[in-house]
Amino acid sequence: DAGITQSPRHKVTETGTPVTLRCHQTENHRYMYWYRQDPGHGLRLIHYSYGVKDTDKGEVSDGYSVSRSKTEDFLLTLESATSSQTSVYFCAITGQLNQPQHFGDGTRLSIL
Amino acid sequence: QKEVEQDPGPLSVPEGAIVSLNCTYSNSAFQYFMWYRQYSRKGPELLMYTYSSGNKEDGRFTAQVDKSSKYISLFIRDSQPSDSATYLCAFSSNDYKLSFGAGTTVTVRA
Repeated sequence: DAGITQSPRHKVTETGTPVTLRCHQTENHRYMYWYRQDPGHGLRLIHYSYGVKDTDKGEVSDGYSVSRSKTEDFLLTLESATSSQTSVYFCAITGQLNQPQHFGDGTRLSIL
Repeated sequence: QKEVEQDPGPLSVPEGAIVSLNCTYSNSAFQYFMWYRQYSRKGPELLMYTYSSGNKEDGRFTAQVDKSSKYISLFIRDSQPSDSATYLCAFSSNDYKLSFGAGTTVTVRA
């Protein structure tokens, strides 16, 4: 299994609070991704990173920011959480663009 | 038109049956074709990966790609209860982005 650890695995928080999710990899892969998965929508890309301090937006980036200060860590931040951001969040990694992405086991986030 | 369409399911089959899963796509730039399996409360796990038209076999699993028709399929032979999961097709055009189908949930009845 690809060495990907997401933390926390579960979180319940209130609207308006900041939330940070962490993705840690031990594969030294260049590319890291954050997705959200919702019923009826499948997996949607939030942000991705193509190197340390190199990030870009995906298709559903509004309300989210990311940071990557080390190869192994990719953080996703919800600056002021809203109920529409209740979802399951997955991190994925790959070493090359023509290779498949490998996923972590997700973070279940509930915003009340 | 959506870039990727996946048969929505759900599918329920008896143990030992052949499971057939299908996706169509509209983007001619897609070069790489994947199937992921996702168990409940787990992340997607890569099942099959191919980049050419034709069939690719791995044990009980066969992935089929028809680029001319923009159609991919996954067949599971001699299905087992442990095959009960959601199956996602995914496509790449060798850039940063993967395009996913919405998933088909399969239940194999013992």
